[in-house]
Amino acid sequence: EVVLTQSPGTLSLSPGERATLSCRASQSVSTYLAWYQVKPDQPPRLLIYGASSRATDIPDRFSGSGSGTDFTLGISRLEPEDFAVYLCQQYHRSPTTFGQGTRLEIK
Amino acid sequence: QVQMQQWGAGLLKPSETLSLTCAVYGGSFSGHYWSWIRQPPGGGLEWIGEIIHSGDTNYNPSLKSRVTVSLDTSKNHFSLNLRSVTAADTAIYYCVGFKPPNWYFDLWGRGTLVTVSS
Repeated sequence: EVVLTQSPGTLSLSPGERATLSCRASQSVSTYLAWYQVKPDQPPRLLIYGASSRATDIPDRFSGSGSGTDFTLGISRLEPEDFAVYLCQQYHRSPTTFGQGTRLEIK
Repeated sequence: QVQMQQWGAGLLKPSETLSLTCAVYGGSFSGHYWSWIRQPPGGGLEWIGEIIHSGDTNYNPSLKSRVTVSLDTSKNHFSLNLRSVTAADTAIYYCVGFKPPNWYFDLWGRGTLVTVSS
C-alpha cells in the first residue's frame, strides 16, 4: 500500500503567519491527493481534493499543490480556528491511505 | 444537505462482533458510495471498506477476513460488522460517503467510540 509521510509532526506558528505542511507518498499518486482538517471531538473536514482544488466553503487562504510524490498544503494568514491537525489522503491506489498528520499549534 | 447519523455498541469484550449502523438523510443515497473509516487513540485514519448501491463491496486487505459492510436501500442505511475484535480494534469509527469516481470523503458521520476491553 502507499505510505504517506507528513512533515513536520508539529508546527508552531502565530496567528497571521503562513503555514506550509508537507505530504510525501512512497510512490506516485498523480494528483489523487486530499487534505483534511481534524479538530477535537469533530469528524475530519475535507479541505482540498485533486491536490489543489478547494472543497465547498473552504476559505481561499487554504491552498494545495504538488503531484506525483510531493505535496504541500499552504495556509496563508493563520486564523485562530486554523490551529488543528491536518491529514493527507491518497486515493490513487487501493487501499486508500492517510498520513499520520501534522499538528498545527499556536506559538 | 446530507446528514449522517450513526449508532452501535460502544463497549465490547474481546472476540465479540462490532456492529455499527449509519443512516443517511437528505441527498442522493444511490448517488454515493459509502465507507467506514476508523481512528485508534493517538493514531491515524484507517479505511475499513466500502459498499455501493448495487451491494458490491471493497475491503482493506488488512481487515478483509473479519469485515462485512452491508446496505439497506429501503432505509438509506449501511452497516459495519467486524468480527473477533481485540483491543487493537479500539477506535473511533466513522461512517463516510463519497461521490464516485472521486474517492475522497466529503460526508462524515459524527463518529462512534468503540472500546474493546475485558
